[in-house]
Amino acid sequence: QLQLQESGSGLVKPSQTLSLICAVSGGFISSGGRSWSWIRQPPGKGLEWIGYIYKSGNAYYNPSLRSRVTISVDTSKNEFSLRLTSVTAADTAVYYCATESVVGRPYWGQGTLVTVSS
Amino acid sequence: EIVLTQSPGTLSLSPGERATLSCRASHSISSSYLGWYQQKPGQAPRLLIYGASSRATGIPDRFSGSGSVTDFTLTISRLEPEDFAVYYCQQYGSSPLTFGQGTKLEIK
Repeated sequence: QLQLQESGSGLVKPSQTLSLICAVSGGFISSGGRSWSWIRQPPGKGLEWIGYIYKSGNAYYNPSLRSRVTISVDTSKNEFSLRLTSVTAADTAVYYCATESVVGRPYWGQGTLVTVSS
Repeated sequence: EIVLTQSPGTLSLSPGERATLSCRASHSISSSYLGWYQQKPGQAPRLLIYGASSRATGIPDRFSGSGSVTDFTLTISRLEPEDFAVYYCQQYGSSPLTFGQGTKLEIK
């Protein structure tokens, strides 16, 4: 079954760029049929979808974050990534990568805490 | 955007009782794209149900999902102590993907 693992900086300074990578194992992004998402959860709050990408590179973003978000995919490394620019304390959250499919179940990573602080 | 509204916000029940959690969508959703998650403090959300009614691998059969169009339900037939947690529904068929605000299931 698919396994997803987030990695990246756990501490980012205000106004800087948050960068995370999601490594996929147990299957291939290039196989198709799935969207590859980033989701976040601020401490003590609910879940917020950030955006997703397909193997083609076509990406779709949450309108509330669209101006600051870029999701990209590297099928040769079987990973996809998140960049969030101009971060503030409000971007402090656990960030999850996930994948969805119309014909199979979703899978999520375990999440990584990113703190925005000087 | 499809808004998902979960009710109740908090549900207080005792072990052994039956729990019924609701997720109502502002627009119709294909049943193929509705999931339920359980989250305990400090843990990642755990997939319980996908496609509105399919149990994920390893999920006990006391958990069941049902519904269609705009009204979906997660039922826990007989609560075990480990079931007390926060539950979220999610639609993943229409961008932006959206989550309900959660139902907290607490011990009475």
